[in-house]
Amino acid sequence: QVYLQESGPGLVKPSETLSLTCTVSGDSIGSYYWSWIRQPPGKGLEWIGYIYYSGSTNYNPSLKSRVTISIDTSKNQFSLKLSSVTAADTAVYYCARTHYSKYFDYWGRGTLVTVSP
Amino acid sequence: QSVLTQPPSASGTPGQRVTISCSGSSSNIGSNTVNWYQQLPGTAPKLLIYSNNERPSGVPDRFSGSKSGTSASLAISGLQSEDEADYYCAAWDDSLNGALFGGGTKLIVL
Repeated sequence: QVYLQESGPGLVKPSETLSLTCTVSGDSIGSYYWSWIRQPPGKGLEWIGYIYYSGSTNYNPSLKSRVTISIDTSKNQFSLKLSSVTAADTAVYYCARTHYSKYFDYWGRGTLVTVSP
Repeated sequence: QSVLTQPPSASGTPGQRVTISCSGSSSNIGSNTVNWYQQLPGTAPKLLIYSNNERPSGVPDRFSGSKSGTSASLAISGLQSEDEADYYCAAWDDSLNGALFGGGTKLIVL
């Protein structure tokens, strides 16, 4: 069984950088793609981007200028940085394993990040 | 940003069969497979259907998916109270070069 666990600050100030880490257990991060997805309170899902174990990335064009996803295969972790955050970035952030056929087969439980002064 | 269109809500009584539609375009559903996710209240989404009509291990065969052209559907037969959840369709979009989700459908079991 594959488990993913998000971690990071639950409160970020406007204009600062949101930073989250996803720790993977039960599978080597040295395979598949690994994605970040978010869900504003009461709203739908938005794909943020993914990283391959090789380090290659692909981001949602609507967020591309502010997003960086990185990977640390030695720790079986991958991370998200979202810069210049505003209240509109308040959401539950999920990490997910992404199958080669581009579906999300394992998800973390999610972590709520609130952007507020 | 939802380019995949779903009805905001659907409902049915226990035992009934309900369907949820998902409409897209040639750059997403028309050229890629469709996946469905179930999100129970207060929990993370769970993969329900992948590659149009495949069920992951553990998903009851009451759930089925289909795709035709630029539209897809999720069908739930023998509706149960525990099926009350939000359902999202998703597909890769070649123009976006990324994953797209539908806006979600809230299923209410009456």
